[in-house]
Amino acid sequence: QVQLIESGGDLVKPGGSLRLSCATSGFKFSDSYMSWVRQAPGKGLEWISLISTRGNTIYYADSVKGRFTISRDNAKNSLCLQMNGLRVEDTAVYYCARMPSEAPHWGQGTLVTVSS
Amino acid sequence: QPVLTQPPSASASLGASVTLTCTLNSDYNTYKVDWYQQRPGKGPRFVMRVGTGGLVGSKGAGIPDRFSVLSSGLNRSLIIKNIQEEDESDYYCGADHGSGSTFVWLFGGGTKLTVL
Repeated sequence: QVQLIESGGDLVKPGGSLRLSCATSGFKFSDSYMSWVRQAPGKGLEWISLISTRGNTIYYADSVKGRFTISRDNAKNSLCLQMNGLRVEDTAVYYCARMPSEAPHWGQGTLVTVSS
Repeated sequence: QPVLTQPPSASASLGASVTLTCTLNSDYNTYKVDWYQQRPGKGPRFVMRVGTGGLVGSKGAGIPDRFSVLSSGLNRSLIIKNIQEEDESDYYCGADHGSGSTFVWLFGGGTKLTVL
């Protein structure tokens, strides 16, 4: 059974930092491209970052470029998102997703709230 | 880059059928689109992928046979027959676009399906 479990969401002040983690199981993590997607309260989905299987190809949405860093540990089947310089508009549920993939799977998300 | 347009809402009576549309802009008429179902408070769930010829690959795990896709011109549609209460969800379409050194995964604005 495929599982992706995000953690690390919290309330943080503007300008602060947070590190999200995603623990995975049930599929060959090291063969999977992985992404982070977020959803602001009451809004739609926004893709923010993708990392290739070995981590040598990385893309970011313009909205987070220069502030967020995606990384992966294939030995631990885990994905991370380091978020610096957080803004109020970064408030969202952050999802870890196995995508792009022939069999995409998403986690249940972790809530990040940026507020003073 | 592609733009994916979805009507914000749709409704159908229990047991009826509904077609949810995702419309691509004209320059991207060959693109495949993924459909995702998001129940309240849950992470998105992959439904299936649709290309110019219809279904691409396999449906997502546990997706009933009542769900199917259809492609016509710029439209990549999700069809749900014999609608059940548990189908009441937000439905999103998404597509990836890579060009040179850039990559982006875009989503439509989502359609909220109400079961009457």
